[in-house]
Amino acid sequence: QSALTQPASVSGSPGQSITISCTGTSSDVGGFNYVSWYQQHPGKAPKLMIYGVSNRPSGISNRFSGSKSGNTASLTISGLQAEDEADYYCSSYTTRSTWVFGGGTKLTVL
Amino acid sequence: EVQLLESGGGLVQPGGSLRLSCAASGFIFSSYAMGWVRQAPGKGLEWVSGISGSGDSTYYADSVKGRFTISRDNSQSTLYLQMNSLRAEDTAVYYCAVRILGAHFDYWGQGTLVTVSS
Repeated sequence: QSALTQPASVSGSPGQSITISCTGTSSDVGGFNYVSWYQQHPGKAPKLMIYGVSNRPSGISNRFSGSKSGNTASLTISGLQAEDEADYYCSSYTTRSTWVFGGGTKLTVL
Repeated sequence: EVQLLESGGGLVQPGGSLRLSCAASGFIFSSYAMGWVRQAPGKGLEWVSGISGSGDSTYYADSVKGRFTISRDNSQSTLYLQMNSLRAEDTAVYYCAVRILGAHFDYWGQGTLVTVSS
């Protein structure tokens, strides 16, 4: 199972919006509405930010939003804040009853 | 409060074995599927294995199939990962995670480091 494709890095200034893409295939991202996004700060465990393509768990800011079109999912962070600087990973359930992650995107807040 | 606490990591020689444990609390352990996800040093996340709430169904990544075995003891609220025939490329922080809301990982442990080296 190949990893989902994410940009290696994105950056933005405080207050701006950024979007991270996540491209898979019809066997994973395109085949299910089971895309999730995780935030990971250095040395910390991943934290669930978005599930089911566009749902936010309790306690997650509405500045975080998710969407999907075909085989590509996206995470948008609006009103960038310094604490948003972290690595972000997408993930999808697959037709083989397994999970696949993206390679990760390093977000830098300028 | 959901808590997941991994243990059992350490240094092991290539070809050796190790068993990881994940002690869970704060939720009805037997009701939810669990999984293991690893992260090699400086690399991204890789799903390793999953198990249903009852333990009847198990799933593995191709990279570990035939070498790793996932299991759970619902009476002890503990998840396990038996790792055999370890290779250098298995070196990673291993996280356990619980699936509560659906096909994603709601909560994660802090991870345990496995180093395979001679």
